[in-house]
Amino acid sequence: EAGVVQSPRYKIIEKKQPVAFWCNPISGHNTLYWYRQNLGQGPELLIRYENEEAVDDSQLPKDRFSAERLKGVDSTLKIQPAELGDSAVYLCASSLRVGTANTGELFFGEGSRLTVL
Amino acid sequence: QKEVEQDPGPLSVPEGAIVSLNCTYSNSAFQYFMWYRQYSRKGPELLMYTYSSGNKEDGRFTAQVDKSSKYISLFIRDSQPSDSATYLCASFTNAGKSTFGDGTTLTVKP
Repeated sequence: EAGVVQSPRYKIIEKKQPVAFWCNPISGHNTLYWYRQNLGQGPELLIRYENEEAVDDSQLPKDRFSAERLKGVDSTLKIQPAELGDSAVYLCASSLRVGTANTGELFFGEGSRLTVL
Repeated sequence: QKEVEQDPGPLSVPEGAIVSLNCTYSNSAFQYFMWYRQYSRKGPELLMYTYSSGNKEDGRFTAQVDKSSKYISLFIRDSQPSDSATYLCASFTNAGKSTFGDGTTLTVKP
């Protein structure tokens, strides 16, 4: 079974340019997460989807970041315009929510490494 | 202050040593506790998972959670060079709120 697929793996852009990341979760997983991981730090949640609904976007910088999960499967995270401080690894993860429980058994993709010059 | 604090590294041990990795948390709503292993330039992978307090053993790995002291531990027995990675502790509430520690980088020397 294929894991979580992310693209691109690496992206270098100049500040003020737009960038988009794509994620295909594990088949059947209804919960999808986008995390940002800065060097030497743990992942920090940007947004969590339950199916196609964003249920937690409290940490998403909405002035420049946007995300969508069409049809409750693939997801795209966009930054426009990018700033120097956005350089980080953007991780997508998925899990299977059973009933009312989010158990934290997340499966991560390999990440998209963004460098903003 | 983060809701999950992890002992900073890096940690370097000889092959065969017992390794202890530790975290503390402050949110009483956390019910699920995980350890993820992250190799360089890879995504985290789930290593151990515990619900509420108690111990869980899987081969050379043992995870412990003490909710009374809000303490999370991971023990690695007979450590191997292939265990060299960054270890992240994570906690989740029933509602799905997640918080990760900043990781401890472990190097096991042959």
